[in-house]
Amino acid sequence: DTGVSQNPRHKITKRGQNVTFRCDPISEHNRLYWYRQTLGQGPEFLTYFQNEAQLEKSRLLSDRFSAERPKGSFSTLEIQRTEQGDSAMYLCASSSSMRTVTGNEQFFGPGTRLTVL
Amino acid sequence: AQKITQTQPGMFVQEKEAVTLDCTYDTSDPSYGLFWYKQPSSGEMIFLIYQGSYDQQNATEGRYSLNFQKARKSANLVISASQLGDSAMYFCAMREETYSSASKIIFGSGTRLSIRP
Repeated sequence: DTGVSQNPRHKITKRGQNVTFRCDPISEHNRLYWYRQTLGQGPEFLTYFQNEAQLEKSRLLSDRFSAERPKGSFSTLEIQRTEQGDSAMYLCASSSSMRTVTGNEQFFGPGTRLTVL
Repeated sequence: AQKITQTQPGMFVQEKEAVTLDCTYDTSDPSYGLFWYKQPSSGEMIFLIYQGSYDQQNATEGRYSLNFQKARKSANLVISASQLGDSAMYFCAMREETYSSASKIIFGSGTRLSIRP
């Protein structure tokens, strides 16, 4: 396991369809984060898991968004009834809970680029 | 509320020159961490350097150093001897460090650095 992986890398869908993204964190990391990044902007926090517990959700995460991490390993992010405004890069990151000299930095995956037509 | 400001949308620098990327932040929390990430055109966020709010010395990591001026609430990234591969988006980020040290990271809007040969 050399890093965070995300699938699919690209997703094109029609407005109103549901989509699901998967994130596999670094195996020894128990913390997992989802971010959304639109063109020309920095990533915006969506939600965070420690093990299987979802501990924080952004107000950006509307009722159409749901995230799970059922066994404390991989996570899924589902968007129901997609809208054109959901078009963005969805980034997943993971980190250790063990204190590090580098501030428990988050390691990011390559992202899933969603285009809603 | 936390805020990160990066006032330089884009910068051009000659290869081998040093470059400073500006970052100011705002927080009411006395304990926080500051990060810089690099995002090449491939899209993956790469961690560069970390500075804790109580660290007495400026962080350094190879050609990267963080000019931390706590009273001014600035955390500028200095890249020495720039290389063509340094061309990318650079994001300054901050995490308010609660007891769990696990809270979200907020990002600035980024600076696009272009290195001229």
